Amino acid sequence: GENVEQHPSTLSVQEGDSAVIKCTYSDSASNYFPWYKQELGKRPQLIIDIRSNVGEKKDQRIAVTLNKTAKHFSLHITETQPEDSAVYFCAASKGSGGSNYKLTFGKGTLLTVNP
Amino acid sequence: EADIYQTPRYLVIGTGKKITLECSQTMGHDKMYWYQQDPGMELHLIHYSYGVNSTEKGDLSSESTVSRIRTEHFPLTLESARPSHTSQYLCASKTGWSTEAFFGQGTRLTVV
Repeated sequence: GENVEQHPSTLSVQEGDSAVIKCTYSDSASNYFPWYKQELGKRPQLIIDIRSNVGEKKDQRIAVTLNKTAKHFSLHITETQPEDSAVYFCAASKGSGGSNYKLTFGKGTLLTVNP
Repeated sequence: EADIYQTPRYLVIGTGKKITLECSQTMGHDKMYWYQQDPGMELHLIHYSYGVNSTEKGDLSSESTVSRIRTEHFPLTLESARPSHTSQYLCASKTGWSTEAFFGQGTRLTVV
C-alpha cells in the first residue's frame, strides 16, 4: 500500500520567513496530493491540493510543487504569520476503482511562527 | 447545513464495554473514512468505505469494525474497549478522487 513520509516533524520560523515542508510517496500510481492544516483543538481542513498532471500550484502565500519522477511533493508558505502556526499534513491518493480511494496521510509537521 | 457530524464528542468508558462511535454526513458523499489520531499528531487510517455495503481496512490494524448500510452513516464499533483504544477518532467524507475530504470534529475516547 501507499506510504507517505513527511519532514520535518517540527519547524520553527520567524514571522515573515518562508517555511517548506516535504513529503515523499511510495506508490507511483498515486495521482492526487492534498495538504491539510489542523489548528489546535480543531479538525483538519484542506488548504491546497495538486493533481499529478500539474507540476506546481499557487494560492496567495501558499504553493505546492510536485516531482512525479522523484515521487516528491512540497508545501511552501511565504511571508509566514503567527496564524499559520498549526500542524500540517500531506496526503496521497489515487483515483478510480474500489480500494484505490484510500487517503493516506504523512505524520504531520508542527509549524510554529514566532512573532 | 451540510456538514459531517460525530457523536459523542467525548466518551469515558470502562474496560470491556461495547461502544459505537457515530458519524453522519449530509453532503451525499460516497467515500467515508475513520482515522485514529494520536496525541503526537499522526492520522492513522483504520477503515474506509467507497459506497454502501463496501468497507475496507486501513493501514493501522484495529479491533474495531464498521458498517455502511446507508450513504450518510458510517458507524465504528468496538466490541470490547481496552485502555489501548484511548485516542481521538476522526471521521471524514469526500466525493470523487481528487476532491476535498471534510472532517468531523472528532470523538475523544478514554477507556479506563
